[in-house]
Amino acid sequence: GAGVSQTPSNKVTEKGKYVELRCDPISGHTALYWYRQSLGQGPEFLIYFQGTGAADDSGLPNDRFFAVRPEGSVSTLKIQRTERGDSAVYLCASSLTSGYGYTFGSGTRLTVV
Amino acid sequence: ELKVEQNPLFLSMQEGKNYTIYCNYSTTSDRLYWYRQDPGKSLESLFVLLSNGAVKQEGRLMASLDTKARLSTLHITAAVHDLSATYFCAASPHNNNDMRFGAGTRLTVKP
Repeated sequence: GAGVSQTPSNKVTEKGKYVELRCDPISGHTALYWYRQSLGQGPEFLIYFQGTGAADDSGLPNDRFFAVRPEGSVSTLKIQRTERGDSAVYLCASSLTSGYGYTFGSGTRLTVV
Repeated sequence: ELKVEQNPLFLSMQEGKNYTIYCNYSTTSDRLYWYRQDPGKSLESLFVLLSNGAVKQEGRLMASLDTKARLSTLHITAAVHDLSATYFCAASPHNNNDMRFGAGTRLTVKP
């Protein structure tokens, strides 16, 4: 596609529920990144994929967070047993090669009530 | 771990004035980025700086990098209202391909 697509754009869920956030990168982009941005703060790194594998998952806050990219294109960020503190905008970015020319999606605003 | 600090965090300017936003990072970095974010929107790439002494300019914005001082600056010349936004710098850890962001500088340009 023309840009990085993230769905849904908004997600409201109850505390304790499971959610999946989807990122569809620009076609041909091999690198994919997930960030989390809380209100009034800078994006916080979560995980980075090069192809199908997670090259760096050091930013995932705990084992409730997991991300996959099984075919090296679309990625899904999965959050189990959601907590109110998980509420944030989750941003996805992709690049043609690692480290250059990042394009960000519009984000998924997650609200845990 | 790479830490990125920006200052100021809030900046209110008069139109036509000049100002500089500073970005310090704590450890060796291979690349330095500047992004713009409008309220409720995603991040728009402004500059990528790759080497010591690099300077890039686009319109009223100019970014520079001093890797020895671990410092990047974003200079605003003759500010206009349309520049009002939040500006983020980000650095890539050495031999790593992701980015670590600063907290952002919220710029307001007043008539």
